[in-house]
Amino acid sequence: GAGVSQSPSNKVTEKGKDVELRCDPISGHTALYWYRQSLGQGLEFLIYFQGNSAPDKSGLPSDRFSAERTGGSVSTLTIQRTQQEDSAVYLCASSLGQGAHEQYFGPGTRLTVT
Amino acid sequence: AQSVSQHNHHVILSEAASLELGCNYSYGGTVNLFWYVQYPGQHLQLLLKYFSGDPLVKGIKGFEAEFIKSKFSFNLRKPSVQWSDTAEYFCAVNDNAGKSTFGDGTTLTVKP
Repeated sequence: GAGVSQSPSNKVTEKGKDVELRCDPISGHTALYWYRQSLGQGLEFLIYFQGNSAPDKSGLPSDRFSAERTGGSVSTLTIQRTQQEDSAVYLCASSLGQGAHEQYFGPGTRLTVT
Repeated sequence: AQSVSQHNHHVILSEAASLELGCNYSYGGTVNLFWYVQYPGQHLQLLLKYFSGDPLVKGIKGFEAEFIKSKFSFNLRKPSVQWSDTAEYFCAVNDNAGKSTFGDGTTLTVKP
């Protein structure tokens, strides 16, 4: 079956512009995660959705970052007024639930802020 | 706050050598532990996981890991590595409230 998909695969934007990243999880997966991976770093947890709600938004780096999920499916991560330090690969993962369930990862969106 | 520490940033081995990658976590509650692997040009995928039961868990491609609660460790092992094991390996811990924390990863290079 189809895996997790993300779009765009690459995004180059100018500093100060807003960007929107999209994630399509595996059908039936209620849990959805966003991570950021900077060069040479591990995965930085950003936010987790269970259904459409995000119980914990404390991982978002600043108030320029927001995320939503509609219909228990597609999620968008929006970064407003992008900065050069936002350059990274943004990964999305979905799973059947939290805790012991494994996460299935998408290919990521490589964001470059010039 | 939970954290995950992977001690080795880059490991270089010859084929047939034994592998052990260290992972220590910091979290006081019930944990679910994972090792993920990212082969060159591919997505992250699950190698193995532990959430209860036998602390020695076996995963794909001959990998295994042992959960030692007293040491807060979940080290990954393989008796004999192959060139195709060249990849980046991530240890991760999930709590039961949705938080997921990954280590910084270990790059394994296996020389043929």
